[in-house]
Amino acid sequence: DTAVSQTPKYLVTQMGNDKSIKCEQNLGHDTMYWYKQDSKKFLKIMFSYNNKELIINETVPNRFSPKSPDKAHLNLHINSLELGDSAVYFCASSQGGGGWRTDTQYFGPGTRLTVL
Amino acid sequence: GENVEQHPSTLSVQEGDSAVIKCTYSDSASNYFPWYKQELGKGPQLIIDIRSNVGEKKDQRIAVTLNKTAKHFSLHITETQPEDSAVYFCAASTPGNKLTFGGGTRVLVKP
Repeated sequence: DTAVSQTPKYLVTQMGNDKSIKCEQNLGHDTMYWYKQDSKKFLKIMFSYNNKELIINETVPNRFSPKSPDKAHLNLHINSLELGDSAVYFCASSQGGGGWRTDTQYFGPGTRLTVL
Repeated sequence: GENVEQHPSTLSVQEGDSAVIKCTYSDSASNYFPWYKQELGKGPQLIIDIRSNVGEKKDQRIAVTLNKTAKHFSLHITETQPEDSAVYFCAASTPGNKLTFGGGTRVLVKP
């Protein structure tokens, strides 16, 4: 009964390639997020979607594009991969997330991306 | 924007001793403060959280305190066990659920 799942768990690719990471949550939550964890373990939010609408869009290169086909899925597509994109990417979800609500965020297991 | 500082970056304790991790935040609008535990190769897992209208919260061996005036909050783990060894993150959330994380504390519990 995985609550937040991500695929793949590991992704090794060459510079310049385009890749996607998929995320699904079965918690019935309205909001989903993408975070990046760098080699020093620092976690930083990238994007947030509430009911398929983009609500948080941090300063991230436009090579990164999130896509939410429905509120249970949030995918991350990365174009023209660079060495600096190597990191662990976490998906998360929460019940709400828009307006004045602050709800608990539940994280997926992560996708370790290595760009060679 | 919000800035969260976390100390110490590493903490080594003897099994059975207590561990304390401290965080400060900068944005007075932050109203939700979760703590996450991250084990090797896994995603962060919520262990306890506190909202700005509460000063202290306890769950078995884990407690969190919040001082809104000073803008700092702390995690206390009592009677530490080897399975408590992990990286712990504090975070602060402004309304709208934008979480800002501290830099993490690597806790090692020595048997």
